[in-house]
Amino acid sequence: GDSVTQMEGPVTLSEEAFLTINCTYTATGYPSLFWYVQYPGEGLQLLLKATKADDKGSNKGFEATYRKETTSFHLEKGSVQVSDSAVYFCALTGRGSTLGRLYFGRGTQLTVWP
Amino acid sequence: DTGVSQDPRHKITKRGQNVTFRCDPISEHNRLYWYRQTLGQGPEFLTYFQNEAQLEKSRLLSDRFSAERPKGSFSTLEIQRTEQGDSAMYLCASSSSQQTWETQYFGPGTRLLVL
Repeated sequence: GDSVTQMEGPVTLSEEAFLTINCTYTATGYPSLFWYVQYPGEGLQLLLKATKADDKGSNKGFEATYRKETTSFHLEKGSVQVSDSAVYFCALTGRGSTLGRLYFGRGTQLTVWP
Repeated sequence: DTGVSQDPRHKITKRGQNVTFRCDPISEHNRLYWYRQTLGQGPEFLTYFQNEAQLEKSRLLSDRFSAERPKGSFSTLEIQRTEQGDSAMYLCASSSSQQTWETQYFGPGTRLLVL
């Protein structure tokens, strides 16, 4: 079945460090891929998405590229800020189905120190 | 557009009691999803509505759980005879099938604690 595997956290970085959070997926066909972020005390927010191979999603300095050949969608940011501290979830939804349920990874806790 | 809202935000109940949660989706969204998130895990799908029709239920949704979406607007999720294992964050999301690339928008969640 469809699934997402994320690198385990927690990840702790200093401000302005480079961030990578790995995400790989298993899916039938060509899923859409998402990164959601959950800030402390808040709900899940869509961070970025990509809907086909080689697409790059980007938002707030974060980027992720849909790599079909490696079934990956790694999240990157060149220079993290304290305000980026949150839990990041990689997710996918299958295409070609009337059911758009999201399959989530376990989440990666990111803490950025000043 | 005020986003997806959920009520209550927190609920503490005793084992064996019934609880009901409400979700109000974004007004033009015809699809509504319920997920459950336990500590340290990603959200897991529970059930899905398109308009008022409940189209799929996860095996996670035991017969103590029931969800409705009358008139295709707000939705309720009821848990009967709650158990301690039901303690979790219950998330609601909505989307529109009219979007070219459908995106789900989440509410803040209802955190349930069963004592």
